[in-house]
Amino acid sequence: ENVLTQSPGTLSLSPGERASLSCRASQSVSNNYLTWYQQKPGQAPRLLIFGASTRATGIPDRFSGSGSGTDFTLTISRLEPEDFAVYHCHQHGSSPWTFGQGTKVEVK
Amino acid sequence: EVKLVESGGGLVQPGGSLRLSCEASGFTFSSFWMHWIRQVPGKGLVWVSRINNDGSGTSYAAAVRGRFTISRDNAKNTLYLQLNDLRAEDTALYYCTRGMAESGTDYWGQGTLVTVSS
Repeated sequence: ENVLTQSPGTLSLSPGERASLSCRASQSVSNNYLTWYQQKPGQAPRLLIFGASTRATGIPDRFSGSGSGTDFTLTISRLEPEDFAVYHCHQHGSSPWTFGQGTKVEVK
Repeated sequence: EVKLVESGGGLVQPGGSLRLSCEASGFTFSSFWMHWIRQVPGKGLVWVSRINNDGSGTSYAAAVRGRFTISRDNAKNTLYLQLNDLRAEDTALYYCTRGMAESGTDYWGQGTLVTVSS
């Protein structure tokens, strides 16, 4: 299976700062089927980015995704208070679908 | 508004069974593949199973194959997951999600908690 490794495990930043989250796959992600989700405590994951770089409906443009093959990045250009959460990457290009272990973005 | 509401979770002894349900509304249920994804609280997400739009095709994660069965009733807009021979490692929050070709899934329910313990 295609193992996704997210780094760092925790990112401590202040509002207004830039966040860069990494997701590395053990095999190339087919068709760039790489998705990012945001999850807040007690809530279900929310779709942010699909196809590695396409924002989902209603997602602010401070969120951007990049990468291809095995290396992907989620960037939040300027952190807003509501952006502090856990971010999961996910590949659905090969079976079984897999997820990274998550990166927590916390207030410094 | 797309809505997915799971139910059926609870406390069950090892070796026991549960049937999870997911009631869908706000979209044409019969047009979409559906998935179950689980999460141990505080941990990562794990894909469990999927079913195609008319129920004729299913797939399972290796850890649950032979013990879990996914099904759907398009007339009732409801997705199911039958969990048999439950083990402690099946303890998790089970999410129902709508399939989407471009993103894998898009909408998620709030989840139903399954706890396997004696």
